[in-house]
Formats: sequence, structure tokens, C-alpha cells
Amino acid sequence: QLQLQETGPGLVKPSETLSLTCTVSGGSTSNDRYYWGWIRQSPGKGLEWIGSIYYSGYTFYNPSLKSRVNMSVDTSKNQFSLRLSSLTAADTALYYCTSESTAVKFRFDSWGQGTLVTVSS
Amino acid sequence: DIVMTQTPDSLAVSPGERATINCKSSQSVLSGTNRKTYLAWYQQRPGQPPKVLISWASTRESGVPDRFSGSGSGTDFTLTITNLQAEDVAVYYCQQYYATPPTFGQGTKVQIK
Repeated sequence: QLQLQETGPGLVKPSETLSLTCTVSGGSTSNDRYYWGWIRQSPGKGLEWIGSIYYSGYTFYNPSLKSRVNMSVDTSKNQFSLRLSSLTAADTALYYCTSESTAVKFRFDSWGQGTLVTVSS
Repeated sequence: DIVMTQTPDSLAVSPGERATINCKSSQSVLSGTNRKTYLAWYQQRPGQPPKVLISWASTRESGVPDRFSGSGSGTDFTLTITNLQAEDVAVYYCQQYYATPPTFGQGTKVQIK
């Protein structure tokens, strides 16, 4: 059973870059049967998929966020990360890391508990 | 993007009764290639992340009680909870995984009457 845990700053200033990390246990980020991803949840936009990454580093992003998103995977640490730039108040949300089976892309089977990110000066 | 619209936004049901949640997609999520319907239902209990209940519109995930059932095809889908229990109080989301980006409905809050 995969377990995912997000870490990162709770408060970030407008125009800055958010960096979040997800640590995986009960499985390996080098396993070719999974995609690793990020989803955020806010009262205004609900659940919004940000993007996903494969162990090889192949990424696919939500077109609405693509210009501001960068994801990476560190198989040596069993972690993957999200960077989101040019933050505004609209990026305030609960950020979840997720996993998907490569057999069923975009069905989000495992979720972390989420980390709340507030964008404010 | 495929827009997912759920109705109602909330409902209150007496214990032991039935709850019905509807979900409509702005375009079909049925694959013409493999004839599978790329529609999932999630349950989000208070303070918890979402959890997959049903995939392929009607296939319950392992461990999900059989009082949860999904139906529908094409663009119109239904999640039915029969014999509602107190532990079923949650927000329920439909989600399409047919196209990029995957998209969710706005959620339906189920409460006990």
C-alpha cells in the first residue's frame, strides 16, 4: 500500500515560487507501473489536476498551468517535487500528491493527506 | 476541457434511505476503441483526501461496500448509496479520466437528515 506525504512551506509571498516535495513509502518512485502527480483543492476551483510525472522524468501538465509548473522526480530519495512560479492569491489551496497506475492513467489511486499553501504578503 | 457537472450540490438523507447523485459530462467519456467508460467516483470524508470508490462508471474498488453503486453511460452518470450509514457523510466527486486534463465535478455533499 503506497503512502504519500507532502512537505513544504505553508505561506508563500505573491510572485514567488512554491516548492513542494512528496515522499513515497510502501513503494518506489522508480517503479515503472506508476505516475506521480499533484492535485490541488480550493473553495473557488474545487479539485484541479496540476500535472503528473513518470519515473523517467516524462511529464504532462495541465495546459492551464503549464507555463508556471515544473515537476521532477528523485528516485534516490524516493521523492518527487512540484515547483509553481509567479504565485497569486488564486494559487492558495490544499495541495495533494497522488499516484496513478500506468494501466489506468488519470485515475488517482493514492493520495497524501495534503498540505495547505497560502499565498499572501 | 471536459466539464463535469454534478447535481444536486447537497442533499440530506435519513439513515437507511437512498442517496442519488448525478453527474453529467460536457462530452462523452466512452472510448470508441475499447468501449470502456472513463468515469470514476470519489468519496471525501471531512479532513481526509478523496478516495476512489468506483471506476469505469460502475466497477466498485476493492473493499468498497456494495451499498455504493455506479451507473450510466456516455455523458450521464449516477452514484447511488443505498441504506445510508452515518459513515457515508462526505462530499462525493465524479471525475473523467478520458481526456487531458482530467477533470472533476464540483462535488455533492451528503448529510444525515
